[in-house]
Amino acid sequence: KQEVTQIPAALSVPEGENLVLNCSFTDSAIYNLQWFRQDPGKGLTSLLLIQSSQREQTSGRLNASLDKSSGRSTLYIAASQPGDSATYLCAVAYSGAGSYQLTFGKGTKLSVIP
Amino acid sequence: DTGVSQDPRHKITKRGQNVTFRCDPISEHNRLYWYRQTLGQGPEFLTYFQNEAQLEKSRLLSDRFSAERPKGSFSTLEIQRTEQGDSAMYLCASSFDRVYGYTFGSGTRLTVV
Repeated sequence: KQEVTQIPAALSVPEGENLVLNCSFTDSAIYNLQWFRQDPGKGLTSLLLIQSSQREQTSGRLNASLDKSSGRSTLYIAASQPGDSATYLCAVAYSGAGSYQLTFGKGTKLSVIP
Repeated sequence: DTGVSQDPRHKITKRGQNVTFRCDPISEHNRLYWYRQTLGQGPEFLTYFQNEAQLEKSRLLSDRFSAERPKGSFSTLEIQRTEQGDSAMYLCASSFDRVYGYTFGSGTRLTVV
């Protein structure tokens, strides 16, 4: 069974700081990995999608890397802003399941202090 | 296309009542998923449709839950005889192809009192 772990569970940083969120998964037979943002009481917003053959993806101040062999991904946020405060979720699409359903971690709750 | 729409946004119901949620996926997406998220947890997979066919169901989907996707368009998720443990956020996601990732709706927050 695929398991996804996110560390840390919560993180508080001052505005302007660069930060890294970590995600690990137990089964390297993934199809792709997706990072999402979730604001309190809201749905999920997709941030970055990395295919299993890729090493990284970038969008603005966000950069996500993938090391499939070691079962790890990181989300790097540059020059953090108070508006980045949210819960960040990592999810993997496991290629062993016909539906390619996502398995999620519990998330990292980020607070950026002005 | 404005994305994945879910209705209602919030639902409060008494224990034992039936509830139904609706999801309208992005029109060209043939894959549709339902997930459930409880407080402090990541979403958990419930069921998957490809077009109108329900191809996979999680063991989390007890016999009180039923989902449909008539004509491969919108989908409904019904919970019969609701229990307090059903209180959660119910999220719908759609995808055109596994390569392109998933787009989620805003969710339906269910509270069973």
